[in-house]
Amino acid sequence: DTAVSQTPKYLVTQMGNDKSIKCEQNLGHDTMYWYKQDSKKFLKIMFSYNNKELIINETVPNRFSPKSPDKAHLNLHINSLELGDSAVYFCASSLRLGEGAFFGQGTRLTVV
Amino acid sequence: GESVGLHLPTLSVQEGDNSIINCAYSNSASDYFIWYKQESGKGPQFIIDIRSNMDKRQGQRVTVLLNKTVKHLSLQIAATQPGDSAVYFCAENMERGSYIPTFGRGTSLIVHP
Repeated sequence: DTAVSQTPKYLVTQMGNDKSIKCEQNLGHDTMYWYKQDSKKFLKIMFSYNNKELIINETVPNRFSPKSPDKAHLNLHINSLELGDSAVYFCASSLRLGEGAFFGQGTRLTVV
Repeated sequence: GESVGLHLPTLSVQEGDNSIINCAYSNSASDYFIWYKQESGKGPQFIIDIRSNMDKRQGQRVTVLLNKTVKHLSLQIAATQPGDSAVYFCAENMERGSYIPTFGRGTSLIVHP
């Protein structure tokens, strides 16, 4: 069983499109996250979601929005995609906010 | 702004040697630190963590050292194996207040057989 799974693994899309990445965790964790990793491997947190409380990294454009239908899912919606959004996006979860996280395999987004 | 950084972007070692990966942090309010390993094509994997009330913590073949005086963190890997080849990240957190974990740049560890 995969602890944190995200789909799709690869996503190629045109500028201006709207896309979603799905994430599910079967660990019973309270907290989920979305991270962005650029081509230089730099990891930046985008969102933390814990007990219906959303903590947003203020540097994230408002074109990005997380949606959590329940505690086990945190999906990422991206509107009006731009070339600079190309990156690998990781979903993660932790038992409690602030603890070490389990990461998914990543979604490589390419905007053309 | 405050940030977490690594001294060496790439570290090459021979199989069987010990490896030391360093990390400097600048936020004196950080009180919880984590090391992650990321293999090619995979997500980061938790290795070991340490809280600021400790100076040292040991796991299986790994040891994390924390020097709060100089805001320095290190990961020591004993008897490095080819399977240890990966990018290693340190991350800092504050356990109270608004939680925005910060990752360092990453160090690429290359183990030669």
